[in-house]
Parts: sequence; C-alpha cells; structure tokens
Amino acid sequence: SQKIEQNSEALNIQEGKTATLTCNYTNYSPAYLQWYRQDPGRGPVFLLLIRENEKEKRKERLKVTFDTTLKQSLFHITASQPADSATYLCALGTGGFKTIFGAGTRLFVKA
Amino acid sequence: DGGITQSPKYLFRKEGQNVTLSCEQNLNHDAMYWYRQDPGQGLRLIYYSQIVNDFQKGDIAEGYSVSREKKESFPLTVTSAQKNPTAFYLCASSIGGASGSGETQYFGPGTRLLVL
Repeated sequence: SQKIEQNSEALNIQEGKTATLTCNYTNYSPAYLQWYRQDPGRGPVFLLLIRENEKEKRKERLKVTFDTTLKQSLFHITASQPADSATYLCALGTGGFKTIFGAGTRLFVKA
Repeated sequence: DGGITQSPKYLFRKEGQNVTLSCEQNLNHDAMYWYRQDPGQGLRLIYYSQIVNDFQKGDIAEGYSVSREKKESFPLTVTSAQKNPTAFYLCASSIGGASGSGETQYFGPGTRLLVL
C-alpha cells in the first residue's frame, strides 16, 4: 500500500544546531515533494518544493534533499532558533491535483 | 492583502444537523481544496476544485458536499451523514487551472468543528 512516513516522535534540539527531519515514502512515484510548516491551531505554510529531477534545494537557512532511489527527503534547518519550533509536514505530489501529506514531525528548539 | 479566509474559527454541530464552513480567497487562484486534519494523521483530502463550476471527490468525501459557483468561494457542508465530524478543517488554494497541478498550496487559518 502507499505510505508516507515522518518521525512521529518530536525532535528536540539546542538553539544554533542543525535540525534534520526525515520523510520516507513507499509505492509512490512523486513528481515533486513539498515541505510545509504548521503552528498549533493554524493552517500550514508552504516552505519549499523540490522536483523529482532535483537533488537539493536551498532557501535561506533551509535545505531539502530528494533521493528518489531511497524514496526519501531530508529537510534541514541550519542555525536553528526557538522561532523555528513548529510541526513540519512533508507532502508528495504526483502531478495532478491530489497531494499526499505526512502526519508531520514536531520540532522544539531550546534556547 | 491577498489570502484565504475561513469562517467561523469554531463551529458546533448538533446531532442530525448540517453545517456549512466558509472559504474565500482573493489570490485569483483557480484550484481550491478542503482537507480534514485529525490528531496524529496527515491532512486528508475531502474535495477539490480545479476550476469554477467543477469539483471532484477526494479520499474521504462521504458525508460532505461542496459547491464552486464563484472563483473566490468554495464552501463545505458537513451533512448529518458524516458520523464523526469532529476535526480541524483546512481550506487551501493553488494557481491550478486546466493544465495546472496541486503544487504550492496556500492554506486558510482553519475551522475547528465540534459535536455537541
């Protein structure tokens, strides 16, 4: 069956360190993969999109990698800050209008 | 300011009652979506609309209905047939269009529906 998995356990890191979140999927052939940030009680906010023919994408302190052989994406936040504390959602797009969302990983950055 | 608005923020439903959640966008996007979010689960797609006057069922459409009479508006009705409606409902939009896709979705602030 098709599955998209993110670490269900929260990730706790110290301010200034790099946070790395993982998204694994099975039985999908995504055309692109997206990462969103969601704060408690609010709607997700789009962060980055990476396409199947791209290995890496960067935006300010954010970096996403996409390995279609491993069926995995890694999302990195460098020089993390307490304001980065949120839930981060991975989402797969197959090229149509349906997007498959993971359950998200909660990140806590301690000052 | 461009964006998506949802109302109300909280909604209470009584047994056997239909309720309607509002979603409006002024981003001039063609595509709009409704998702349901339950604790510990990913967003699940209820309905989506690629373009005005057209909409498609998502993965969990049973007990829900939508309309898309205007480009800016995509209301969702939770009918009495939906037996477990308590959830956080999110509306989203994307540029979309006839040859578009669901990438880069912009979300509203959400409506929390509770059953009395």
